[in-house]
Amino acid sequence: EMQLVESGGGLVQPGGSLRLSCAGSGFTFSSFWMNWVRQAPGEGPVWVSHISNDGSTVTYADSVKGRFTIFRDNAKNTLYLQMNSLRVEDTAVYYCTMTTVITQTFDLWGHGTKVTVSS
Amino acid sequence: EIVLTQSPATLSLSPGERATLSCRTSQSVYSYLAWFQQKPGQVPRLLIYDASNRATGIPARFSGSGSGADFTLTISSLEPEDFAIYYCQQRSDWPPVYTFGQGTKLEIK
Repeated sequence: EMQLVESGGGLVQPGGSLRLSCAGSGFTFSSFWMNWVRQAPGEGPVWVSHISNDGSTVTYADSVKGRFTIFRDNAKNTLYLQMNSLRVEDTAVYYCTMTTVITQTFDLWGHGTKVTVSS
Repeated sequence: EIVLTQSPATLSLSPGERATLSCRTSQSVYSYLAWFQQKPGQVPRLLIYDASNRATGIPARFSGSGSGADFTLTISSLEPEDFAIYYCQQRSDWPPVYTFGQGTKLEIK
């Protein structure tokens, strides 16, 4: 069974840092482009960042550009999101998602990890 | 930035009825439009990609149509499990950037 499992969320003060991880299993992780998508309480999903299968291409939403870094370790089947200079408005559940060549969108989602930025 | 506008915000229907949800984009997105379903406490699920293609395992009562800047998700005959929030999403060609609409809540009348 294909699965994505996120970890690393928690409570952090404004200006702080956090690193999220997403472990993939049940599929050839290194073959797929991956994404982070977040969803604040009561709101719709928002795409955050995207990385190519080999890590050579990355893209960010304007709201996180310069603060967040997406990267991956294909040997460990793991995707990461390094989040620096966190703001209250970054509070959300962060989902790891997989993109396939066929759909070019978010086929598979993890169950998410909650990030709360508050003093 | 492309803006997606979904209507109506809330749609109240009964099981067995037909549901028609709209998504309009601020500029053409060709056919690069997807639809997701999200139930309370659950993760969004991909229903439709590239405007009209059903994702794996999605029942035939769900269909998508449209191109350019005007898209529709139709549920031909509502089942009790279809009451949820539906989001449309567009992707740019390159580099890939994704935007979601604000959602339509489909509730039981």
